[in-house]
Amino acid sequence: NAGVTQTPKFQVLKTGQSMTLQCAQDMNHNSMYWYRQDPGMGLRLIYYSASEGTTDKGEVPNGYNVSRLNKREFSLRLESAAPSQTSVYFCASSEVPGGAEQYFGPGTRLTVT
Amino acid sequence: AQSVTQLDSQVPVFEEAPVELRCNYSSSVSVYLFWYVQYPNQGLQLLLKYLSGSTLVESINGFEAEFNKSQTSFHLRKPSVHISDTAEYFCAVKTDTGRRALTFGSGTRLQVQP
Repeated sequence: NAGVTQTPKFQVLKTGQSMTLQCAQDMNHNSMYWYRQDPGMGLRLIYYSASEGTTDKGEVPNGYNVSRLNKREFSLRLESAAPSQTSVYFCASSEVPGGAEQYFGPGTRLTVT
Repeated sequence: AQSVTQLDSQVPVFEEAPVELRCNYSSSVSVYLFWYVQYPNQGLQLLLKYLSGSTLVESINGFEAEFNKSQTSFHLRKPSVHISDTAEYFCAVKTDTGRRALTFGSGTRLQVQP
């Protein structure tokens, strides 16, 4: 079991460029999440998907879009990157919709210049 | 809405000393409480959780946390820390209503010195 995997591990973008962060889980979990981690602010929820076919906004959704491609995969897209989106992005999954206990991927470190 | 406050951003401590990492939460409904640990350059891992039942919960590596409803706290303790415990620790809360995910505190960096 690989658990939760994320690609890429590192990425540098110029302002205005777009990119998609990929996440996959092999635990047959129903729910998946995208967080961003910034110094001194903990983790903040961007979007989540309680089950296949549904997505909902979290605390900080502006500038992002998501796709729940199937039960395994949940991608995060930045359409026009901004320096304020420089952060570490974590994908997580949980068996139970609503996220009582979550499993995290290793993270993607994104820098926007 | 719920919120989580971790009062200390950094806690330096010597090896084999005891440590307490503080966590307070606010919520108008029943909560589930968690501590996650993040080792350098890694994702978060669940350390321990309170869902119901006994208010004292323990992890396999010697940490424990006590749910105190009257003080709305869930402090993390270890009687004797090791160098390998150096990491960032996040307290998180989840309520039983709605579909929203965990709410995390800002984190406490535990630095264990020899």
